[in-house]
Amino acid sequence: DAKTTQPNSMESNEEEPVHLPCNHSTISGTDYIHWYRQLPSQGPEYVIHGLTSNVNNRMASLAIAEDRKSSTLILHRATLRDAAVYYCILRDPLNYGGSQGNLIFGKGTKLSVKP
Amino acid sequence: NAGVTQTPKFQVLKTGQSMTLQCAQDMNHNSMYWYRQDPGMGLRLIYYSASEGTTDKGEVPNGYNVSRLNKREFSLRLESAAPSQTSVYFCASSDIRGIFHTQYFGPGTRLTVL
Repeated sequence: DAKTTQPNSMESNEEEPVHLPCNHSTISGTDYIHWYRQLPSQGPEYVIHGLTSNVNNRMASLAIAEDRKSSTLILHRATLRDAAVYYCILRDPLNYGGSQGNLIFGKGTKLSVKP
Repeated sequence: NAGVTQTPKFQVLKTGQSMTLQCAQDMNHNSMYWYRQDPGMGLRLIYYSASEGTTDKGEVPNGYNVSRLNKREFSLRLESAAPSQTSVYFCASSDIRGIFHTQYFGPGTRLTVL
């Protein structure tokens, strides 16, 4: 399985943008890049996903490098509620059935937001 | 919609005791999952059920059994609890009809085995 590498922790100030990096140098052509986050004492929640083009939704933006070997999750204005562990996960839609389709969580990036 | 619910929220067991963690979802999802999360670690898959009537082992199945009772409910049983099973347990569900199989997680059960 293709692996991802994320910094262990990052800090941000409230209302400032946050750029969370993820390296995935062995990504395959069919892997989608998914981001989940886990707020303190809660289960993970889906944030965003993309394949090649940059993606935006109400929660965040995802910027994908042209060679797809890295991506960046962008929170445009961090709030205290965004303090969480952010997981970057590669998923191949062709392998969604069976154990290969299951989410593989690394340690993620712990984001702290200062008021 | 309640989404994914788990009971109990907290549990303390003694070594050797048994218990069942309950999970239910009201999103009409086909697939359900059980994960465990140890301190400072990411989640690891214990068992999953791709559809009603089927269950399969994940990464760390030893010491656990599961039952997919119906489409809504997926339970995890510890037959003889060990201190190494102290963890936070998360249940999740996903819709295989959706192309990206987004998983929706419950709030977790915090289990301590003494």
